[in-house]
Amino acid sequence: EIVLTQSPGTLSLSPGERATLSCRASQSVSSSYLAWYQQKPGQAPRLLIYGASSRATGIPDRFSGSGSGTDFTLTISRLEPEDFAVYYCQQYGSSPKSYTFGQGTKLEIK
Amino acid sequence: EVQLVESGGGLVKPGGSLRLSCAASGFTFSSYSMNWVRQAPGKGLEWVSSISSSSSYIYYADSVKGRFTISRDNAKNSLYLQMNSLRAEDTAVYYCARVGNSYYWYFDLWGRGTLVTVSS
Repeated sequence: EIVLTQSPGTLSLSPGERATLSCRASQSVSSSYLAWYQQKPGQAPRLLIYGASSRATGIPDRFSGSGSGTDFTLTISRLEPEDFAVYYCQQYGSSPKSYTFGQGTKLEIK
Repeated sequence: EVQLVESGGGLVKPGGSLRLSCAASGFTFSSYSMNWVRQAPGKGLEWVSSISSSSSYIYYADSVKGRFTISRDNAKNSLYLQMNSLRAEDTAVYYCARVGNSYYWYFDLWGRGTLVTVSS
């Protein structure tokens, strides 16, 4: 089973700064099967990125995803106040068929 | 409006059973694979179970295999999760989630969740 490890656990930044969140897989993951979600307190997760680098519908272009193999990155180019939340990466495994989430990165206001 | 609405959560004793429902609206439910994902209080997301559009393919996380059963009724636009032999560690908010694309396998639509508390 593939394990996803996100770093850092908590990231403290100010609005306007650039955020770089990491997701490392214990073995190679198809880029097609790597997604990122944002979750705010009391809300359901929201899809941001799929296929490692494709933005979901309605997601601002300050959010971007990159990476391949075992190392993936979510970048928020200039933080807006509404971007402070918890972010999860997720992969789909085809054998056995399952989904795995990283433990999350909390992005907090500095 | 495109949405998923979960129901059926509540307080149950260890060893007890509960059946969750998820009502879909605003899209062709029968065309999509569906999933249950849970989140224990203050913790991260954990995938629970998946069912294909026609119920032909069903998968479970090891943590619930043999205790939980996923099902769907496309005529009623509904997804279900029958949970038996519940344990304290099953306490969580349970979300239903739609697979947006069967090539990329991401969850593009989520419900607001229903809270299940397992406690004596």
